[in-house]
Amino acid sequence: GQNIDQPTEMTATEGAIVQINCTYQTSGFNGLFWYQQHAGEAPTFLSYNVLDGLEEKGRFSSFLSRSKGYSYLLLKELQMKDSASYLCAVHYSGGYQKVTFGTGTKLQVIP
Amino acid sequence: EPEVTQTPSHQVTQMGQEVILRCVPISNHLYFYWYRQILGQKVEFLVSFYNNEISEKSEIFDDQFSVERPDGSNFTLKIRSTKLEDSAMYFCASSESGRPSYGYTFGSGTRLTVV
Repeated sequence: GQNIDQPTEMTATEGAIVQINCTYQTSGFNGLFWYQQHAGEAPTFLSYNVLDGLEEKGRFSSFLSRSKGYSYLLLKELQMKDSASYLCAVHYSGGYQKVTFGTGTKLQVIP
Repeated sequence: EPEVTQTPSHQVTQMGQEVILRCVPISNHLYFYWYRQILGQKVEFLVSFYNNEISEKSEIFDDQFSVERPDGSNFTLKIRSTKLEDSAMYFCASSESGRPSYGYTFGSGTRLTVV
């Protein structure tokens, strides 16, 4: 199968930095998405990484290491509204539009 | 900001009944998708649709499922004979391009409950 592993839950303090890790099977890898999903709502697109390295987008950054099958999402200056699930999803070859999602990491931001 | 609109937001149906979930993708998008999320579980790909035909589907998308773009704006998912295990949140999504870097825009979902 195409297992995608993320921690189930994390807690972090408002104003702090948090890193959410994701590991995946490298065979057939094309690219990796991060989505944010608030409870009861639709996922919203955060980033898509194809090449190794860090991509920064405001308070959110996403890192990819293709050889290690590893990615992380970095959230800086945490705000209460960042409390949500963060979904790692991988685009594998053999399915041009098919994306495989991980189970998500539920982040709770506390004051 | 353009949205993907889904109706109804909630649907309760009896086992064995047919349901049609409706979606209006973003108007200039060309690629359409259905995903589902069983409560507490991960988002799962069902089907992608482009140029008026299915481009990919998952093993979940069996003969009980069908999709249609009946006119220029709507995109529907039909479940012919619902089962208890079809209870889930169904998300429609669309994208401007087939290139993954564009990401998908998801609708707010239809919560289907089969009783």
